[in-house]
Amino acid sequence: QVQLQESGPGLVKPSGTLSLTCAVAGGPMSSSYWWGWVRQPPGKGLEWIGEIYFSGSTKYSPSLESRVTISIDRSKNQISLILTSVTAADTAVYFCARERRDGQLGFYMDVWGRGTTVTVSS
Amino acid sequence: SYELTQPPSVSVSPGQTARITCSGDSLAEKYTYWYQQKSAQAPVLVIFEDSERPSGIPERFSGSSSGTLATLTISGAQVEDEADYYCYSTDTTGLRRVFGGGTKLTVL
Repeated sequence: QVQLQESGPGLVKPSGTLSLTCAVAGGPMSSSYWWGWVRQPPGKGLEWIGEIYFSGSTKYSPSLESRVTISIDRSKNQISLILTSVTAADTAVYFCARERRDGQLGFYMDVWGRGTTVTVSS
Repeated sequence: SYELTQPPSVSVSPGQTARITCSGDSLAEKYTYWYQQKSAQAPVLVIFEDSERPSGIPERFSGSSSGTLATLTISGAQVEDEADYYCYSTDTTGLRRVFGGGTKLTVL
């Protein structure tokens, strides 16, 4: 049973860089999956941030693309999220998730981490 | 940017049928997925490929899709079904994923 665990600083200063890691346990990171990040600001809905494939190929939300980088380290079984120039609007619970490709008609997340809270404040 | 539109809230009495809609241009050619989220916990997939139910999800949960409108139906809603529900899909290019704004289901 694959399990995901997010980790990283819970507090980041405005204009600073948010850096999170997601550890994948219970199996190797195979070429069958993509790995994604989703966030949820307090009291608001889910927002897709981006995803990375086993090969390192990435896709990002247009609204965050200029500030976000997702990377994969297959030797450590983990993915990482970097978000630069953060503001209070980036305060959220950040989730990592395993993503499956559904033929040509979709992608979906089937395994989620519990999420980690990041607050942007001085 | 691409968007999926959901009603902010739906309210039903226990035992009634709840219907939550999701509209978006890409839904005519891409699958819709539905997630249940309780109290800011990790979301749980309740419907995939428009209408398929994962193992362990009660039969009262069903999904359908027609054109640019997808619908999550909870037949005989229970108090424990109170949660936020999000639709999820991919834009027509296949390059971007998007969640709907979420619908708060109240069962009381």
